[in-house]
Amino acid sequence: AQSVTQLDSHVSVSEGTPVLLRCNYSSSYSPSLFWYVQHPNKGLQLLLKYTSAATLVKGINGFEAEFKKSETSFHLTKPSAHMSDAAEYFCVVSDRGRGRTTSGTYKYIFGTGTRLKVLA
Amino acid sequence: GAVVSQHPSRVICKSGTSVKIECRSLDFQATTMFWYRQFPKQSLMLMATSNEGSKATYEQGVEKDKFLINHASLTLSTLTVTSAHPEDSSFYICSARAGVNNEQFFGPGTRLTVL
Repeated sequence: AQSVTQLDSHVSVSEGTPVLLRCNYSSSYSPSLFWYVQHPNKGLQLLLKYTSAATLVKGINGFEAEFKKSETSFHLTKPSAHMSDAAEYFCVVSDRGRGRTTSGTYKYIFGTGTRLKVLA
Repeated sequence: GAVVSQHPSRVICKSGTSVKIECRSLDFQATTMFWYRQFPKQSLMLMATSNEGSKATYEQGVEKDKFLINHASLTLSTLTVTSAHPEDSSFYICSARAGVNNEQFFGPGTRLTVL
């Protein structure tokens, strides 16, 4: 079975300092991994995705994540935080092999989320 | 890029009434649509998966008679919350996918408040 763990429920950083949001996953087969951001009372926006190409994935707004199979991690980083980065971030895993629902589809499993606060 | 819309964006209703939420894929045909529920300050929980022209598959613990899902066409799925109660108040988010291995594209969500 697949699962995803976001190790920090809250992260606070000062504006201009680096951001690190941690995500570990468990997957029986080759996973696809995603990071989404959700601003208050808004929908989800895709930041980046890993689907077995390059292990270092660059996303929007200066974010990137590195897929490390040996550590089963997919941590999200940004060199310099901006006030507008304050939001909820979700790590998502989806098996591309087995691990289907009975309907034969590939479920997204969401982490519990990390709330990022950026201090002025 | 792929765009998914939801209507309405927010709805307030009285207890006991039914509410219908629409999810549309605007620029692609969605063979599969998903419905999620998000309680305040929590993550998204998958409620059900619907494939066009067939019955929805509900996740464990989700009442299929309370949350009716119809996926009548490749661009439209509806979620009807029947006999809504205050505990059904939540943020409902749909997503749509074009093919088996393709990523999901999320709608902006519908905030339901049941008085």
